[in-house]
Amino acid sequence: ILNVEQSPQSLHVQEGDSTNFTCSFPSSNFYALHWYRWETAKSPEALFVMTLNGDEKKKGRISATLNTKEGYSYLYIKGSQPEDSATYLCASRSNDYKLSFGAGTTVTVRA
Amino acid sequence: DAEITQSPRHKITETGRQVTLACHQTWNHNNMFWYRQDLGHGLRLIHYSYGVQDTNKGEVSDGYSVSRSNTEDLPLTLESAASSQTSVYFCASSESGDGPYEQYFGPGTRLTVT
Repeated sequence: ILNVEQSPQSLHVQEGDSTNFTCSFPSSNFYALHWYRWETAKSPEALFVMTLNGDEKKKGRISATLNTKEGYSYLYIKGSQPEDSATYLCASRSNDYKLSFGAGTTVTVRA
Repeated sequence: DAEITQSPRHKITETGRQVTLACHQTWNHNNMFWYRQDLGHGLRLIHYSYGVQDTNKGEVSDGYSVSRSNTEDLPLTLESAASSQTSVYFCASSESGDGPYEQYFGPGTRLTVT
């Protein structure tokens, strides 16, 4: 079981502001880091999968970085919009196919 | 389009009853997973399978069982439902082989044990 931690647990952002939050994971036996976006009453939707130290991925206004040596990843939302309101889950994968999920960061964007 | 479905979407059952939650995927994925979602815990792995006739315990497997008789289905059975098993259950699947493949999630089943 990999101990994956996310912080903060929740945050409120004003529409138009940018924000970021953290996922930390054990760096030993690391294989991949996944980010999912999870809206209420829906199923988690994959955002990014990263494997290499220094990886950066971007999808629209959302981007993520990965530091495998120190065991953390940042997710950034630029110019937050109300539709960005969701819980963002990160999950770490070791040398098998299992994912260990953090508890998530719930983002609420206020108009 | 390929998809992953779960049924039922909502279920209310009584303590002590056996309950089976269905998961069906048309991705032809070898890997399938069952998670439960509880407040403050994110998603926790119950059982998983890497192929037909293969099943493995996850971190919260007590009181649950799975079977894999074909590629498409991984039903989750609660042998004797307990109130502590009230939760939302998600099934997921992924490709196998080399590569950091993402998991695709079903819509979830909300189970209430009274």
